[in-house]
Amino acid sequence: NAGVTQTPKFQVLKTGQSMTLQCAQDMNHEYMSWYRQDPGMGLRLIHYSVGAGITDQGEVPNGYNVSRSTTEDFPLRLLSAAPSQTSVYFCASSLRASGGLRQETQYFGPGTRLLVL
Amino acid sequence: AQTVTQSQPEMSVQEAETVTLSCTYDTSESDYYLFWYKQPPSRQMILVIRQEAYKQQNATENRFSVNFQKAAKSFSLKISDSQLGDAAMYFCAYRSPNAGNNRKLIWGLGTSLAVNP
Repeated sequence: NAGVTQTPKFQVLKTGQSMTLQCAQDMNHEYMSWYRQDPGMGLRLIHYSVGAGITDQGEVPNGYNVSRSTTEDFPLRLLSAAPSQTSVYFCASSLRASGGLRQETQYFGPGTRLLVL
Repeated sequence: AQTVTQSQPEMSVQEAETVTLSCTYDTSESDYYLFWYKQPPSRQMILVIRQEAYKQQNATENRFSVNFQKAAKSFSLKISDSQLGDAAMYFCAYRSPNAGNNRKLIWGLGTSLAVNP
């Protein structure tokens, strides 16, 4: 049971380039989400999904796209990278989107550090 | 809107001693979930302990325990018998069960804990 995995661990992009950050979980979790972590700002929710085929925006969705074609995978796409997207990105998942503390506890992947030049 | 405050940017403790990290939050809700996550230098976000607001009994996980004071809106983390591996950034997080499908965690800015040998 690998939990939540993310690839790559580190990536350097040039402004305007696109890329996909991969996230996968093998716990059969319904809920998955993407956060970015920036110094002095805590973690902010980018996009989330409550199940396969269902996605929605978080608080900072601009410049990012997501899809959820399977329960296991939740990739995050940067359409045209900007220096403001330099950050550490975390994928998280929980058993359910609702139903109590155990079901809603989120577990995190190891993060992807992204540098946009 | 809910907010989470960690008033101690940095703390230090001697190995084998006990340390308490502070967390306060602001909410008008009566039921909610509270979490402590640990982020070591590897950047992995690791769940330490969780608490459901309507349960008055303080949660414990081995050497980690919380002091949950609902009326004071305080959720401090106590680490007993501190070990070198406890050195990390610690984040307090809040989540409302009434957040619809968003399921956003609201984060404090973290406390950096150093453990001195």
